[in-house]
Amino acid sequence: NAGVTQTPKFQVLKTGQSMTLQCAQDMNHNSMYWYRQDPGMGLRLIYYSASEGTTDKGEVPNGYNVSRLNKREFSLRLESAAPSQTSVYFCASRGYEQYFGPGTRLTVT
Amino acid sequence: AQKVTQAQTEISVVEKEDVTLDCVYETRDTTYYLFWYKQPPSGELVFLIRRNSFDEQNEISGRYSWNFQKSTSSFNFTITASQVVDSAVYFCALITEEDSGGYQKVTFGTGTKLQVIP
Repeated sequence: NAGVTQTPKFQVLKTGQSMTLQCAQDMNHNSMYWYRQDPGMGLRLIYYSASEGTTDKGEVPNGYNVSRLNKREFSLRLESAAPSQTSVYFCASRGYEQYFGPGTRLTVT
Repeated sequence: AQKVTQAQTEISVVEKEDVTLDCVYETRDTTYYLFWYKQPPSGELVFLIRRNSFDEQNEISGRYSWNFQKSTSSFNFTITASQVVDSAVYFCALITEEDSGGYQKVTFGTGTKLQVIP
């Protein structure tokens, strides 16, 4: 039982490059989330998925797209990375609590 | 609008002192959930507690206790006899959702960094 897993753990991109952050959970949860964490800002919700096949915007969705591939997997895509997207990204799934993955530290130069 | 305020940005205490971390929230919804999470220097987010809006009982878990007061929209967290291992950033969070379990609003506070000095 791995909980919530995220890949990669670290990534450096150049401005304009694209990438997909992967997230998977093995707890059979319906709801999954993507957050970003910036110094002094706490965690801000980018997108979430209340169930397989549905996604909704959170507080800061601009510049991101998501895919809820199946019940287990929820990916976050940056189509054209910008320095403002330098952050730590957390994926979570929700049962009684929100279970968080270990995070992805992304730097865009 | 939904909001969570953690007014204390950083707190330093000497080991064995008690410390209270404040959390004030705003929401128009009558059904909601409040959470506290701990983020140690290693970076992971550790769940501490969940409270729903209909359960105002205070809770104690070892050295940790929580005081939920709907009248003041506060959900404060107290650590008794603090230890160096308590040094971390603590986040308060609020989730509200439609009864159908569809649209959700998730708001985290900006966190309180607690430093416990030996």
